Amino acid sequence: GDSVTQMEGPVTLSEEAFLTINCTYTATGYPSLFWYVQYPGEGLQLLLKATKADDKGSNKGFEATYRKETTSFHLEKGSVQVSDSAVYFCALSDRRTGANNLFFGTGTRLTVIP
Amino acid sequence: GAVVSQHPSRVICKSGTSVKIECRSLDFQATTMFWYRQFPKQSLMLMATSNEGSKATYEQGVEKDKFLINHASLTLSTLTVTSAHPEDSSFYICSAREDEKLFFGSGTQLSVL
Repeated sequence: GDSVTQMEGPVTLSEEAFLTINCTYTATGYPSLFWYVQYPGEGLQLLLKATKADDKGSNKGFEATYRKETTSFHLEKGSVQVSDSAVYFCALSDRRTGANNLFFGTGTRLTVIP
Repeated sequence: GAVVSQHPSRVICKSGTSVKIECRSLDFQATTMFWYRQFPKQSLMLMATSNEGSKATYEQGVEKDKFLINHASLTLSTLTVTSAHPEDSSFYICSAREDEKLFFGSGTQLSVL
């Protein structure tokens, strides 16, 4: 079945450091891939997405490229800020089952220190 | 963007009691809402799809008699964990769909003693 494996946290970085959070997936169909972010006390928000192979999603300085050959969708940011401290979830939806059913990873907590 | 409000954010209860969690769409109407749960160190998993005015659709392995879902209006869905036990302790989160986008509540951490 469909699943997402995400890098375990927590991750602690200094401000302006480079961030990578690994995410790999298993899917039998043609999934769309997502990164969601949950800031303290708030709901999950869509950060970025990619719907087909080689697509790059980007938002707020974060990027992730849909790599079919390695079944990966790693999240990267060149220079993190304290305000990026949050929990990040990788997810996929399979067009066969519809966009309603999102398969999530475990979430990775990021803390950025000044 | 759209806002989904979920309450309570944290609840501690005794074994055998029932707990109700509310999920409201504040500035849009949601005919469909979703309930997820996340056990420690595990993935966020879809439990059920809540449809306004009709019965919820439960995922395989989720007991519908234990996790009662009511979606009586276009802005409110409730999840009641009946006769809660320690193994029900988990993080529960709801989401609501507007057009083709999903908006999430901030989650409820349930601890059953």
